[in-house]
Amino acid sequence: GNSVTQMEGPVTLSEEAFLTINCTYTATGYPSLFWYVQYPGEGLQLLLKATKADDKGSNKGFEATYRKETTSFHLEKGSVQVSDSAVYFCALSDQSYNNDMRFGAGTRLTVKP
Amino acid sequence: ETGVTQTPRHLVMGMTNKKSLKCEQHLGHNAMYWYKQSAKKPLELMFVYNFKEQTENNSVPSRFSPECPNSSHLFLHLHTLQPEDSALYLCASSPTRDLINTGELFFGEGSRLTVL
Repeated sequence: GNSVTQMEGPVTLSEEAFLTINCTYTATGYPSLFWYVQYPGEGLQLLLKATKADDKGSNKGFEATYRKETTSFHLEKGSVQVSDSAVYFCALSDQSYNNDMRFGAGTRLTVKP
Repeated sequence: ETGVTQTPRHLVMGMTNKKSLKCEQHLGHNAMYWYKQSAKKPLELMFVYNFKEQTENNSVPSRFSPECPNSSHLFLHLHTLQPEDSALYLCASSPTRDLINTGELFFGEGSRLTVL
């Protein structure tokens, strides 16, 4: 089964709205967790990461907290901009997957002016 | 500019053709990867190379054949593909394969493959 499950999109928001994209994971060990972003016509790039429980990753106004008790790593941003329109991927690296990066299906976000 | 370059960006091929995708990284990384990106599916890890040696083949059909002549170049040779193989193929690299600690993959922009 999938190691990473994230909410299906697409998500459409107005500028300055609050964003949450849910992500839950399955792993046998102590994974590191990541959010990657893919802007139109580009490859994926790392947005933020957390390597242990209760860590908060943050970058460009986005943040996500590693919750081991709920096996979650939800992405949030308080006020989205049009330039945040992209596809967001939750990912993990874990010993059960040979430390390779496993990704979710991606969530497409569109922000309208 | 991520330092990972993929060519061609777009490729259309028939089911009987033979073609290749190329990936080059200028970052001095030791690990390189091929991923397949299909709509509404998780990215699929296809192949992993570490110091030019293939270390992972995730049950990929033999019509996909990887080649890694050195740590900077990675190829994906395509032969007798099926229409369901149409997807975006992404190449990535990392300093080491130890992503649980080092964390970051550097991706190219992808090669959009259409199989007719």
